[in-house]
Amino acid sequence: GENVGLHLPTLSVQEGDNSIINCAYSNSASDYFIWYKQESGKGPQFIIDIRSNMDKRQGQRVTVLLNKTVKHLSLQIAATQPGDSAVYFCAENLAGGADGLTFGKGTHLIIQP
Amino acid sequence: DAGVIQSPRHEVTEMGQEVTLRCKPISGHNSLFWYRQTMMRGLELLIYFNNNVPIDDSGMPEDRFSAKMPNASFSTLKIQPSEPRDSAVYFCASTLGPGTEAFFGQGTRLTVV
Repeated sequence: GENVGLHLPTLSVQEGDNSIINCAYSNSASDYFIWYKQESGKGPQFIIDIRSNMDKRQGQRVTVLLNKTVKHLSLQIAATQPGDSAVYFCAENLAGGADGLTFGKGTHLIIQP
Repeated sequence: DAGVIQSPRHEVTEMGQEVTLRCKPISGHNSLFWYRQTMMRGLELLIYFNNNVPIDDSGMPEDRFSAKMPNASFSTLKIQPSEPRDSAVYFCASTLGPGTEAFFGQGTRLTVV
């Protein structure tokens, strides 16, 4: 049968530039959101999280923005470096967190030297 | 802490054989999750445990799949009999509890031929 792979969106940016990765989540009852980074051959690695009572949270070189009205999440990475090249996933957790995380399909970020 | 430890890292087996994947969560974490990652479907939650008790196994694809958590420091995911379509990377993750960051292991890459 047909074997069609998942075509991940790809974002290519120049080293040193800022990047923005977007994610639309599915469940309006979700109240906890996480961004993960996955490098080839490794498990997803936590980057930053945000709860639904906030609309912005900043970390080191990263900022997450949450728009609950349109169920949209974004990850901004400042001054990108070659090591930022990876697949980035957003994940949502239902209110109360009883269920496991539901992951988006991922975005492949490529940092051009 | 060494993080979430999975074994083996790679497994190649013949169709029809039994496969057992192992996971040691981070000490003190109360929730454990098994995920499967494929190109076709991305990251899918298979089953999760709270305090060693299976809470939701609705993501387990078929009766061929089973998971156990006999104690707080060990879990297994078993596939019997295995089929080529089970080929994927299987991740184990653990958390302190609901609504907290999930830490992932390095995954087991399973190939069923």
